[in-house]
Amino acid sequence: DAKTTQPPSMDCAEGRAANLPCNHSTISGNEYVYWYRQIHSQGPQYIIHGLKNNETNEMASLIITEDRKSSTLILPHATLRDTAVYYCIVRFSSNTGKLIFGQGTTLQVKP
Amino acid sequence: GAVVSQHPSRVICKSGTSVKIECRSLDFQATTMFWYRQFPKQSLMLMATSNEGSKATYEQGVEKDKFLINHASLTLSTLTVTSAHPEDSSFYICSARDVSSPLHFGNGTRLTVT
Repeated sequence: DAKTTQPPSMDCAEGRAANLPCNHSTISGNEYVYWYRQIHSQGPQYIIHGLKNNETNEMASLIITEDRKSSTLILPHATLRDTAVYYCIVRFSSNTGKLIFGQGTTLQVKP
Repeated sequence: GAVVSQHPSRVICKSGTSVKIECRSLDFQATTMFWYRQFPKQSLMLMATSNEGSKATYEQGVEKDKFLINHASLTLSTLTVTSAHPEDSSFYICSARDVSSPLHFGNGTRLTVT
């Protein structure tokens, strides 16, 4: 699975959009981009995933660049409860399903 | 959505004893479950892949005799930390995947070995 690079930490004002970047320059054509988050002392929570096209669900939007070498997770209206560590993971869809976690981005939403 | 339940959420045990952690998929069948460990201020580290009806596959550096994994049914996998020592104190997290959905995680077990 391709390696990902994320900033270690970010701040965001409550009510504003949080844009979390992820670089995955070695991604291959059939690898998906997954985003999870982990709130303190809980298990990771699935947010969204995509292959080529931008994706949106009730939690977030995922914007993948045309060359697929980077992506951005957007939380449109961040709340204090969105404070968490956000992990960007790249993996094949047809493998065993295991996810290898990097260090992630700690997002602090401030009032 | 897919729900993964983990029990217990917290456990304290004495050094030298064994501890069993259960991971259940509540509303789906999981032929494969995964066990992770997380130390404070660190990311999740994959320990092993648990396959229903067969032996688990351990990641490099994980002692299979110390971390016994049993996946006896399509909804239950257990991790037993044998002869626990203080350095085994950690946050253990299981995950499972429904064929039609991404990987879902339990809420973890905080193990403290005294």
